[in-house]
Amino acid sequence: DAKTTQPTSMDCAEGRAANLPCNHSTISGNEYVYWYRQIHSQGPQYIIHGLKNNETNEMASLIITEDRKSSTLILPHATLRDTAVYYCIVRGNQAGTALIFGKGTTLSVSS
Amino acid sequence: GAVVSQHPSRVICKSGTSVKIECRSLDFQATTMFWYRQFPKQSLMLMATSNEGSKATYEQGVEKDKFLINHASLTLSTLTVTSAHPEDSSFYICSAWTGKGSGNTIYFGEGSWLTVV
Repeated sequence: DAKTTQPTSMDCAEGRAANLPCNHSTISGNEYVYWYRQIHSQGPQYIIHGLKNNETNEMASLIITEDRKSSTLILPHATLRDTAVYYCIVRGNQAGTALIFGKGTTLSVSS
Repeated sequence: GAVVSQHPSRVICKSGTSVKIECRSLDFQATTMFWYRQFPKQSLMLMATSNEGSKATYEQGVEKDKFLINHASLTLSTLTVTSAHPEDSSFYICSAWTGKGSGNTIYFGEGSWLTVV
């Protein structure tokens, strides 16, 4: 699996958009970009994933660059409950392919 | 999203005993489940990949005789920590793949805290 690079930590004011970047310059053509988050002492929560088109759901938007070497997760209106570790993971589409976690970005949302 | 449930959420056991953790996919069938371990302030570490009806595939450095994984049905996988020792105390998390026809997504359980005393 391709590796990803994320900033160690980010801060965001409550109510503002949180833009979390991720570099995955060695991604291959059949690999998806997945985003998960983990709030302290809980299992990771699925946020969104995409292959090459931008994606949006009720939680967030995922913007993938045209060359697919980087992406940005956007939380449009961050709340205190969005404080968590956010993981950007690249994964192939095969059934037996696990998600391999890096260190992620610790997002701190403050009022 | 799909629901994956783990039980128990917390367990304390004595050193030398065995403990079983269950992972269930509640609203979908999971041909593949994954088990992770997470130590404090660290990221999740993949332990093994479990396929229904076949033997689990363990990651390098994970003792298969110590961490027994059984995936007997499409909705249940179990992790048994045998002869547990204090260094096995950790947060154990399972996940399940929904399959290509169901969004191609992996969902995680709530995790199970194991404390060995």
